[in-house]
Amino acid sequence: EDKVVQSPLSLVVHEGDTVTLNCSYEVTNFRSLLWYKQEKKAPTFLFMLTSSGIEKKSGRLSSILDKKELFSILNITATQTGDSAVYLCAVQGAQKLVFGQGTRLTINP
Amino acid sequence: ETGVTQTPRHLVMGMTNKKSLKCEQHLGHNAMYWYKQSAKKPLELMFVYNFKEQTENNSVPSRFSPECPNSSHLFLHLHTLQPEDSALYLCASSQETGSWTEAFFGQGTRLTVV
Repeated sequence: EDKVVQSPLSLVVHEGDTVTLNCSYEVTNFRSLLWYKQEKKAPTFLFMLTSSGIEKKSGRLSSILDKKELFSILNITATQTGDSAVYLCAVQGAQKLVFGQGTRLTINP
Repeated sequence: ETGVTQTPRHLVMGMTNKKSLKCEQHLGHNAMYWYKQSAKKPLELMFVYNFKEQTENNSVPSRFSPECPNSSHLFLHLHTLQPEDSALYLCASSQETGSWTEAFFGQGTRLTVV
C-alpha cells in the first residue's frame, strides 16, 4: 500500500529561525512528489519534484528530492509568522495522489 | 483563488437528510477528485474521475455517491450520514490522472452531521 510519512507532526519555532520538514514515502510507480501549504482550508501548491538532487526554490522556501532514499525535505529560512500553516507532502503514483499527515508549523513572533 | 470552487462552504445536516456538495473547475482539467480531511488524519482520497469516468473508489461507504456529469463539474451526494462523517471535504482537479502536473484544490466544504 502506498504510504507517505511526514515528520515532525508539529513544530513551534521563533520568527527568523530556519526549519526543515521531512517527508518519506513508499509508492509504486512514482511520478512526482508535491508540497502544499494549508492555512485555513484549500491546500495551495508549493513545489513539484520529479528528479533527484535538483533543488526547487521559491523565495525563502526550497525543496529537494532523493529518489534513492525515498524522501524529500522542505526548508524555510528566516521564518515569518505568515509561514504558520500545515505543510502537506503528497506523492503521485500511477493513478492517485497520496498525502502524508502534514506538519503543523507555528511561528511565534 | 485556485480556479476550483466548492459550494456550500459550510453544511450542517441531520442523519436522515439528503444533501449534495458541488465542485466546479474552469481550468480545462480532465481529472477531478474528492478528498476527506478529518481532524488529525491525512487527507483521504475518496473518488477519482478521469474524463468523466470513475477510476477510483477508495472503499467509500455507499452513503456517499459521486456524480461527474462533465469534466468541469463534480458532485458528492450525501444521504443517511453518521456523525463520524463530519469533516472537511475537499475537491481537487488536475490535468489528468497520473499526469506530471499538480492538483489544485477548492476551499472545501465543512460538513457537520448532527
